[in-house]
Amino acid sequence: GQNIDQPTEMTATEGAIVQINCTYQTSGFNGLFWYQQHAGEAPTFLSYNVLDGLEEKGRFSSFLSRSKGYSYLLLKELQMKDSASYLCAVRDGGYSTLTFGKGTMLLVSP
Amino acid sequence: GAGVSQTPSNKVTEKGKYVELRCDPISGHTALYWYRQSLGQGPEFLIYFQGTGAADDSGLPNDRFFAVRPEGSVSTLKIQRTERGDSAVYLCASSLSTDGFTDTQYFGPGTRLTVL
Repeated sequence: GQNIDQPTEMTATEGAIVQINCTYQTSGFNGLFWYQQHAGEAPTFLSYNVLDGLEEKGRFSSFLSRSKGYSYLLLKELQMKDSASYLCAVRDGGYSTLTFGKGTMLLVSP
Repeated sequence: GAGVSQTPSNKVTEKGKYVELRCDPISGHTALYWYRQSLGQGPEFLIYFQGTGAADDSGLPNDRFFAVRPEGSVSTLKIQRTERGDSAVYLCASSLSTDGFTDTQYFGPGTRLTVL
């Protein structure tokens, strides 16, 4: 099984940088995903990490440490449209399905 | 091209009724997944299809839930004798590769099911 923890809520200011942490405890591991979900909409893919280190994609970066069971999503130059829920999901080593955390609701204020 | 589509977008039914939820994956995607998301929670896995067959149905909560994908494309999630606790958003996702281990799942907009 999997246990995935992430903060429930975070607030930040437009133009700032925010880091959303995710810790996981798994019986197997075959990758960690971050998704963004606006209220009432589908989750949209942001990033994927399977090896240790930082993956950068525009304003968004994601980091993984497998030995620590830890990941973070870094959002730079925050915009109002970044207000959304950010979901951390782990793929078990033996399956292709994802186990999601409860999501972190990010509120960006002017 | 078109993304994952789901119909209906909203479904209101009465306790005890039968409902069908439809998912049309991205063209060419062989893997299809159903998840359920309750308010304030992350999506919870229900069932995974590889082609026409259910490769993993361990997330189905009980035998009232059933899903099919007869031609390896469109899938239908069927819920019998609905209960108020079944109320949630039902999300469908699809992915491209045949092994499902390395590729990304793309989600549809979901069907919001309300059981009165």
